[in-house]
Amino acid sequence: GNSVTQMEGPVTLSEEAFLTINCTYTATGYPSLFWYVQYPGEGLQLLLKATKADDKGSNKGFEATYRKETTSFHLEKGSVQVSDSAVYFCALRYTGGGSEKLVFGKGMKLTVNP
Amino acid sequence: DGGITQSPKYLFRKEGQNVTLSCEQNLNHDAMYWYRQDPGQGLRLIYYSQIVNDFQKGDIAEGYSVSREKKESFPLTVTSAQKNPTAFYLCASSIDKRTHNQPQHFGDGTRLSIL
Repeated sequence: GNSVTQMEGPVTLSEEAFLTINCTYTATGYPSLFWYVQYPGEGLQLLLKATKADDKGSNKGFEATYRKETTSFHLEKGSVQVSDSAVYFCALRYTGGGSEKLVFGKGMKLTVNP
Repeated sequence: DGGITQSPKYLFRKEGQNVTLSCEQNLNHDAMYWYRQDPGQGLRLIYYSQIVNDFQKGDIAEGYSVSREKKESFPLTVTSAQKNPTAFYLCASSIDKRTHNQPQHFGDGTRLSIL
């Protein structure tokens, strides 16, 4: 089946620290991969995406590379800010039964302290 | 601005009562989705609709019902059969299934609690 496994946290970092959130997936076919971010009390916002192997998604200083050989899509940021405090979800999108479906990881809560 | 509007933001339900959560989008998206979010469990798909007047069960459809009479609207009813309805409910939409690289766009959610 299709599934996503990600670091669950919670994780607390100091401002300007390096961030890595691991995400691995299991899928049949060639899924698209996404990172979503959820700020407190809000819905999910798309952070970045990659649609094929070796694609790199980037946005707001975050990056993730679609690695087919390791079935991974790890999220990284070189220097986090307090405003990055949120829950981060890794997701894959696949076609099943004639419809498009998203499968989410369980999310990882990040707190960045000044 | 285009987007997805969910209402109300907070909703309270008495035991044995049905409640309906609203989801409206003005993005002209064909597909709409309802998810349930519980602490530590990520998002789980309740129902989805690829086109008007058609919808499909997701992974946890029991105790819920939906309708899709208009492209812009996809209301979710939490029935009295749903024994554990307290959760954060998220509505999403996407363009259509032929563009599977396109992401889903999410509303700000409705938090449902039992009185």
